[in-house]
Amino acid sequence: GQNIDQPTEMTATEGAIVQINCTYQTSGFNGLFWYQQHAGEAPTFLSYNVLDGLEEKGRFSSFLSRSKGYSYLLLKELQMKDSASYLCAVSWTGGGNKLTFGTGTQLKVEL
Amino acid sequence: GAGVSQTPSNKVTEKGKYVELRCDPISGHTALYWYRQSLGQGPEFLIYFQGTGAADDSGLPNDRFFAVRPEGSVSTLKIQRTERGDSAVYLCASSLNPISTSGSTDTQYFGPGTRLTVL
Repeated sequence: GQNIDQPTEMTATEGAIVQINCTYQTSGFNGLFWYQQHAGEAPTFLSYNVLDGLEEKGRFSSFLSRSKGYSYLLLKELQMKDSASYLCAVSWTGGGNKLTFGTGTQLKVEL
Repeated sequence: GAGVSQTPSNKVTEKGKYVELRCDPISGHTALYWYRQSLGQGPEFLIYFQGTGAADDSGLPNDRFFAVRPEGSVSTLKIQRTERGDSAVYLCASSLNPISTSGSTDTQYFGPGTRLTVL
């Protein structure tokens, strides 16, 4: 299968740092995306990793280890507006451009 | 510029009826994708188009579902004989090219979705 696993829910405090993990089956892996989705809205693109290492983009960073089948999204200086679902999605070699999504991690940022 | 648009935003229908959902991709994007998202789940792939042709329709659940993109721009997802289990948010996405020259995956940009409720 192409199971993608991420925690269902996380809670963090405003101003803090939170790490959202995602694991996936390594066989056939091509690349990994992170999307943010607020309730009732479209998923919006955050990051794309295809090579090992850390990609930093403002308050958000994403890490990939291809050999371990592991990625994380790091959110720094959390703001209330960061409360949303964070979706991990994988593309596969030979799979064209279709994405397989995890169930999403619902992040709640509290005061 | 304008993003991906979808109409209608909400559709309520009765079991057994036929529905059409429309997607207008970002101008110039050659690839278009349909996904379905149930409550508390991630989007699930249905079909993707490269130009006018369906490049991969492996995610369509059965033959009640059909999609077209006759001019390589707007796409319509058609569902016949709707069932209560078809109730979900139907998301459309587009990307500039399906596979870049480097072999990496092209970023997909999503529309706001159509919430379909089958009573």
